[in-house]
Amino acid sequence: GEDVEQSLFLSVREGDSSVINCTYTDSSSTYLYWYKQEPGAGLQLLTYIFSNMDMKQDQRLTVLLNKKDKHLSLRIADTQTGDSAIYFCAEIYTGGFKTIFGAGTRLFVKA
Amino acid sequence: DAGVTQSPTHLIKTRGQHVTLRCSPISGHKSVSWYQQVLGQGPQFIFQYYEKEERGRGNFPDRFSARQFPNYSSELNVNALLLGDSALYLCASSKGNTGELFFGEGSRLTVL
Repeated sequence: GEDVEQSLFLSVREGDSSVINCTYTDSSSTYLYWYKQEPGAGLQLLTYIFSNMDMKQDQRLTVLLNKKDKHLSLRIADTQTGDSAIYFCAEIYTGGFKTIFGAGTRLFVKA
Repeated sequence: DAGVTQSPTHLIKTRGQHVTLRCSPISGHKSVSWYQQVLGQGPQFIFQYYEKEERGRGNFPDRFSARQFPNYSSELNVNALLLGDSALYLCASSKGNTGELFFGEGSRLTVL
């Protein structure tokens, strides 16, 4: 089946690290993605990871992939108020013609 | 460079009417995908077009149709609108057949 699951809310203090978790179902997914959506806007690609990688770091962002457990996480270091948004985990479905999104995790950053 | 542009940004329709939403991809991108995002949920895949051919269709009724033009722009049409069609309709373009999607700001449709 096609399903990507995420927790709905996360609240952190400014300067702390945020960790957003995701589980997916399609074990043959070649790419897994994190998108960010700010209020009233479309989605913005943050980062992605190939399925043959365990970790990818990109400035304040670290993506961890556990293929055995089909678990993906996004860590944001030194979280800022500007990071407040909805974060979507996504996998590209077998065949490559569609991307399956989770319901999104709403990140609240308290000053 | 211009990003993905969508029009109109907002529109209000009544049940039974039809709507046409338009999308212009990033220059050089040959693939356009359409997604429906209901408030509080993630985007749901509707269609993907690549080089003017439909490559995939999501679990949406036949009231939903789309096409891609020679310049790679695209239209999404929805007939016989229902209240449940109220949503943000997102268009995304990509260079190829990948999940690295570049989204527009969306067209917010309200059906009364």
